[in-house]
Amino acid sequence: AQRVTQPEKLLSVFKGAPVELKCNYSYSGSPELFWYVQYSRQRLQLLLRHISRESIKGFTADLNKGETSFHLKKPFAQEEDSAMYYCALKAGGATNKLIFGTGTLLAVQP
Amino acid sequence: DTAVSQTPKYLVTQMGNDKSIKCEQNLGHDTMYWYKQDSKKFLKIMFSYNNKELIINETVPNRFSPKSPDKAHLNLHINSLELGDSAVYFCASSQEAGSKQYFGPGTRLTVT
Repeated sequence: AQRVTQPEKLLSVFKGAPVELKCNYSYSGSPELFWYVQYSRQRLQLLLRHISRESIKGFTADLNKGETSFHLKKPFAQEEDSAMYYCALKAGGATNKLIFGTGTLLAVQP
Repeated sequence: DTAVSQTPKYLVTQMGNDKSIKCEQNLGHDTMYWYKQDSKKFLKIMFSYNNKELIINETVPNRFSPKSPDKAHLNLHINSLELGDSAVYFCASSQEAGSKQYFGPGTRLTVT
């Protein structure tokens, strides 16, 4: 079954602390994974995708096929990082639909 | 420039009514989507259209009917609204199915 699991509903850290938002997936094929972010009162937007191997706003995510994980990390959290973060898996086949995790709310305290 | 727009932004209505939410994208994308975000922030796809053709139809009550008059528009019509339909509905588009998705601002539907 295709599934994305984000075990933490809420992650609260202090400004300057490291952040790791967990994401695990279940997929039989070769996965394509994304992180989407939704800031307060803003639309959902793509943060990064694993195929790009990029760092956006200081965030990185590495696909670990052995652990079936795609955790989102940032060494030093900023208050403006506070948002809802969704991990998503692109399911294969004709539809290529995105399967989203349940989301993790990141709250960065001053 | 608004890439993906939705109207209305807020919709409050009573049970049993029929309502529509409109979505338009000016990105020239071929694929459009509707998602539902419930009170727990869980985001789930409902429908997807590619070049006006339905390609994704998740297990959604048939009271929900998407309509795509052209590839720049994907409207969502909901019949006989129920309390459980209260949620934020997001429209999105992508160049092709499975590529980066651009989301609209959402429509907060409240059924009383």
